[in-house]
Amino acid sequence: KAGVTQTPRYLIKTRGQQVTLSCSPISGHRSVSWYQQTPGQGLQFLFEYFSETQRNKGNFPGRFSGRQFSNSRSEMNVSTLELGDSALYLCASSSGLAGGNAPTDTQYFGPGTRLTVL
Amino acid sequence: AQKITQTQPGMFVQEKEAVTLDCTYDTSDPSYGLFWYKQPSSGEMIFLIYQGSYDQQNATEGRYSLNFQKARKSANLVISASQLGDSAMYFCAMKRTGNEKLTFGTGTRLTIIP
Repeated sequence: KAGVTQTPRYLIKTRGQQVTLSCSPISGHRSVSWYQQTPGQGLQFLFEYFSETQRNKGNFPGRFSGRQFSNSRSEMNVSTLELGDSALYLCASSSGLAGGNAPTDTQYFGPGTRLTVL
Repeated sequence: AQKITQTQPGMFVQEKEAVTLDCTYDTSDPSYGLFWYKQPSSGEMIFLIYQGSYDQQNATEGRYSLNFQKARKSANLVISASQLGDSAMYFCAMKRTGNEKLTFGTGTRLTIIP
């Protein structure tokens, strides 16, 4: 079974621009979560989508948004980029068993997209 | 609110020795899951092992085992017979029933010395 894939792997943008990151989950997985990893803040949860609906959201400004398609693929968008948005963005998928939210449902991560904002 | 604490920022271990990475957690939820992930320098988070809050036995996966002490709220990862390829960052994480959000600790950088 193929793992979680993320594109692109690397991105360089300038302040004020916007960016879209893509994530394809493991086949059969219906839940996709996004995380931001920075040296200063560590790993922080952005949001989670299940069956095309945002089910959970972290504490990030509205410039960070996402969506999920009917095939469970997900995109996240960051508008009006700031220097502090430079980070590794990780996507994770899980099965979402029994409607999701089971503590046993393991999240499997993709390789990440490294975003640099200049 | 949930919190994960990893008190060892870095560890150096001789190859073939066993190593224990510490993790303590704080939650008021009765049902939760604890996870360990490995992150090599490439950046990908690799799932290692899982322990459920109601599991009676400690989880094991090959060379990895989880020393779960519920009363002390600790979930230490034990790696037996360490290998050079074990050099990486290790993160402890948890999530509770009803929320897919994983809460991570700050991680431990493990370096295996030949």
